[in-house]
Amino acid sequence: AQTVTQSQPEMSVQEAETVTLSCTYDTSESDYYLFWYKQPPSRQMILVIRQEAYKQQNATENRFSVNFQKAAKSFSLKISDSQLGDAAMYFCAYKREYGNKLVFGAGTILRVKS
Amino acid sequence: GAVVSQHPSRVICKSGTSVKIECRSLDFQATTMFWYRQFPKQSLMLMATSNEGSKATYEQGVEKDKFLINHASLTLSTLTVTSAHPEDSSFYICSAKDWRSYNEQFFGPGTRLTVL
Repeated sequence: AQTVTQSQPEMSVQEAETVTLSCTYDTSESDYYLFWYKQPPSRQMILVIRQEAYKQQNATENRFSVNFQKAAKSFSLKISDSQLGDAAMYFCAYKREYGNKLVFGAGTILRVKS
Repeated sequence: GAVVSQHPSRVICKSGTSVKIECRSLDFQATTMFWYRQFPKQSLMLMATSNEGSKATYEQGVEKDKFLINHASLTLSTLTVTSAHPEDSSFYICSAKDWRSYNEQFFGPGTRLTVL
């Protein structure tokens, strides 16, 4: 079974600085999808970024980028120029290529200091 | 983007009563919907997957008779918590997959259930 591990329960970053959230996963499959979701205090899950495993190029969405290391099964999220609105719980998630289920990590609480 | 709504957003009920939570896809057809449960500061736990017109598939350890799921149309799935007890108090989140999308689930805003 696939597992997703987020080893950082909490992280803090100063406003305007850069922070990296870690995620590792375990799978025997070669094709899959990886996601980072943000859950702010409102509890609404928001998709931050998505990476297809067959793509070597790291996904980027404005201030958010990932470092996808397929061989190491690592999928970290980098947030640049951190803003107060980035404060939230961040979840890393895995999905098989032809499956429906999302497998979530335990989450990382990100605090942004002004 | 695709929008998923949940109703109610909050519900308080007495122990022993049943509560129904609705999940609707507002601007797309959802062939598959998912129900999650989340405890404070914890991850989402998948409870069941429902496909329109067929029985839901429950995850191991989830009581089918306790958590009744109905997916009667392409835009509506309901979760009924039967004979609720205080330990059923939790945050319930639904998500829906657009039939055109292979990869992405769209999440509802969640329902906070408190059982007294």
